[in-house]
Amino acid sequence: KQEVTQIPAALSVPEGENLVLNCSFTDSAIYNLQWFRQDPGKGLTSLLLIQSSQREQTSGRLNASLDKSSGRSTLYIAASQPGDSATYLCAVRLNTGNQFYFGTGTSLTVIP
Amino acid sequence: DADVTQTPRNRITKTGKRIMLECSQTKGHDRMYWYRQDPGLGLRLIYYSFDVKDINKGEISDGYSVSRQAQAKFSLSLESAIPNQTALYFCATSKSGGTGFQETQYFGPGTRLLVL
Repeated sequence: KQEVTQIPAALSVPEGENLVLNCSFTDSAIYNLQWFRQDPGKGLTSLLLIQSSQREQTSGRLNASLDKSSGRSTLYIAASQPGDSATYLCAVRLNTGNQFYFGTGTSLTVIP
Repeated sequence: DADVTQTPRNRITKTGKRIMLECSQTKGHDRMYWYRQDPGLGLRLIYYSFDVKDINKGEISDGYSVSRQAQAKFSLSLESAIPNQTALYFCATSKSGGTGFQETQYFGPGTRLLVL
């Protein structure tokens, strides 16, 4: 079974700081990996999806990288803003089966 | 209007009661999923359906059943609710594709269920 871990569980940073969120997974035979954002009272919003053949994806101030061999992905947020405050989740899909495995998330607070 | 809707948004019920959570989508996606989210455990897959006639158990299907009434509708039932089914439930959709398809999942707003 795929285990997905996100460290730290919570992070608080001042506005404007660059930050990195970490995601690690135990089974490197992945099909793709997604980063989501979850706001209180709302569902999850997909931020970036990286296919197993890719090393990184970028969208605006967000950059996600993938290192399958080491079982790691990072989400880099540049010039953080208070509106970035949310819980960030990563999810991994394996090559076999059709299930996504989610991490427990990192709760981010950006202080004005 | 939201692309993926869930009803009800909040529900309180008693142990032993049967309840149904409903999900509808206007995205035209063929794949639909039910997850539950518990503090410290992340999201776990309950059931998923790749089309109307294809329903599959996920990681934690015991105590749950589903019905795919149409491509746009996917319902989750708790036949006899128990307190450890208290959780936040999410429906999600995705679209299958051809070579190199990307399966971004789109989530509903969630249903908060409390079983007393």
